Formats: sequence, structure tokens, C-alpha cells
Amino acid sequence: EAGVAQSPRYKIIEKRQSVAFWCNPISGHATLYWYQQILGQGPKLLIQFQNNGVVDDSQLPKDRFSAERLKGVDSTLKIQPAELGDSAVYLCASSLPLQPTLYFGEGSWLTVV
Amino acid sequence: GDSVTQMEGPVTLSEEAFLTINCTYTATGYPSLFWYVQYPGEGLQLLLKATKADDKGSNKGFEATYRKETTSFHLEKGSVQVSDSAVYFCALGDNTNAGKSTFGDGTTLTVKP
Repeated sequence: EAGVAQSPRYKIIEKRQSVAFWCNPISGHATLYWYQQILGQGPKLLIQFQNNGVVDDSQLPKDRFSAERLKGVDSTLKIQPAELGDSAVYLCASSLPLQPTLYFGEGSWLTVV
Repeated sequence: GDSVTQMEGPVTLSEEAFLTINCTYTATGYPSLFWYVQYPGEGLQLLLKATKADDKGSNKGFEATYRKETTSFHLEKGSVQVSDSAVYFCALGDNTNAGKSTFGDGTTLTVKP
């Protein structure tokens, strides 16, 4: 069974530029999450989708971050414009409906300079 | 709100030593509890879990028991190996919110031969 796929793995951008990350969850996993993991900290939930609807985006900085999951499968997370403090690993995870076990991708490592 | 507190690291042990990583939590309701492991350059992967009080999760020689009375889920292994070197995250999953999870800040374990 294929795992959660993410791209790109690494990205370096200048502040005020934009960046987009892509995620394809495990087949059949209706729930998809984007987490932000700053160095030395645990992952923090940014947004949670159930199929193509948003369940929780209370921690998403909506002035600069956006995410979509148009067909209920893959998802894109965008940052525009990026700030230095956005340097982090962006983790995508998926799960079966109503199941708390998360399956993570390898992450997209963002450095903002 | 929900929170997870892990013992601060880093932890350095010699091979075959006994490992304990402490984890306590605060939650409303009855969460599931997890330990995830992150090897260098990789995403998080589930190590073990427990879904209700007094359950013991185990995998790869690691164990943790869900203690409701002390709100704890300490990770233990009787004899660590160099290959166990990684970052370990304790997490709780909200069973009523389709899997929303809260993570601790992680404990870095280094095992020396």
C-alpha cells in the first residue's frame, strides 16, 4: 500500500515570495491534515479536511496561508507571502474517517531566507 | 484545551540500557494516546497506541501503559539499540473529532554503541 506522498521535499525561498506544497493521502483515507513542525517542537495542526470540506482551520494564519482539497483526494497548501518564521517542516497526514491514528508523509522542508 | 508534556531531552544512553521517556497529558473526555517516532530525515510514524485506560501499547520492544489516574503514558524499552536513535513524540487523539491530535514537543534519543 502506497503511503502519503508529499512534494517538494525541500524548498528555499526568500521572504515575501510564495510557495505551494502538494500532498496525496493514502487511498481511501477521507481525512487529511496539514501540520507545521518548527525545529525543536511537535507538529501543530494547521488545517483538517474531511473529504473536500474543512473540519478545523482555527490555527491556520489565513492572511497568508491557504489550503484546498478540491476533489477530496490530494491537497495543496500555499503560503503567500512567506515570512522568516514560516521556516518549518510541513507535514501532511491522513487517516480513516473517525480514526485517530495518523499516517504521515515525509514532509516538505521550507527555509525562508 | 488539550495538551501533552514530555520530558525534556536530549537523552543519551549506551546500547542495552533501559529507556524511559515520560509523558503526561491534559484532556477533556477520553482520548487515545500515541507514541510516534521520527528517524533522521523522515516523517513521523506510529510506534504504538492505546485507546482506553489501562491498555498497554507495544511494538518493537517498546511499551507504554495508558494510566488515567496519573494522566500518563510513559514510553519504556528494556534494552535500547543504536538503531533506536530518533525523536519520540507523545500525542493524544481526540476520539470525538475525527482524529484531531495534539503532540508533545518531542524527546531526542541518542544511543551510543
